[in-house]
Amino acid sequence: SQTIHQWPATLVQPVGSPLSLECTVEGTSNPNLYWYRQAAGRGLQLLFYSVGIGQISSEVPQNLSASRPQDRQFILSSKKLLLSDSGFYLCAWSGRAGTDTQYFGPGTRLTVL
Amino acid sequence: DAKTTQPTSMDCAEGRAANLPCNHSTISGNEYVYWYRQIHSQGPQYIIHGLKNNETNEMASLIITEDRKSSTLILPHATLRDTAVYYCIVRVAWVGRNQGGKLIFGQGTELSVKP
Repeated sequence: SQTIHQWPATLVQPVGSPLSLECTVEGTSNPNLYWYRQAAGRGLQLLFYSVGIGQISSEVPQNLSASRPQDRQFILSSKKLLLSDSGFYLCAWSGRAGTDTQYFGPGTRLTVL
Repeated sequence: DAKTTQPTSMDCAEGRAANLPCNHSTISGNEYVYWYRQIHSQGPQYIIHGLKNNETNEMASLIITEDRKSSTLILPHATLRDTAVYYCIVRVAWVGRNQGGKLIFGQGTELSVKP
């Protein structure tokens, strides 16, 4: 069966520091991968998605970037964190069809102080 | 993607059926109805989805009205562990291959299952 991992689970970082969050998927090949952020309240916002190695699409302009160095690895980064980057970051995977069901990881809680 | 409307919160007694409504009056013929739930501080969990027929799996049943303008998620025997925020999402049934499929989450319904 497929499994999705995210780490770290929680992170507290000072403003201006760099960020690297990692997501890996097991048990599937060539997945679509997604990064969402959940800020105040309950809605999730899609940040990036990737349909293959090195292929990244950005949904909203922001202080973050994403990379996909391997088929089942998705990384979310920032060179300098802002207070507004605080939130709950969720990675998801799906099959290659854009409408396949998305399955979410456990998330990373980021607090920027 | 069509917008959905859900009640902000609902209560349900443990062991009883939980019926969570969702209105999606502007849904298009090629759009699915998806349900996810999110337990506090966890990632969203996929529950079920459907196009126009009623669907059932080990977690829940999905009842879609004939005009497809609303649906109901049914948890047949709610337990305390079903306490969560439940999201109803409408999304297009098909996009080209190698395209990302965005899920648009609203505010959802906060279901509290009480002993």
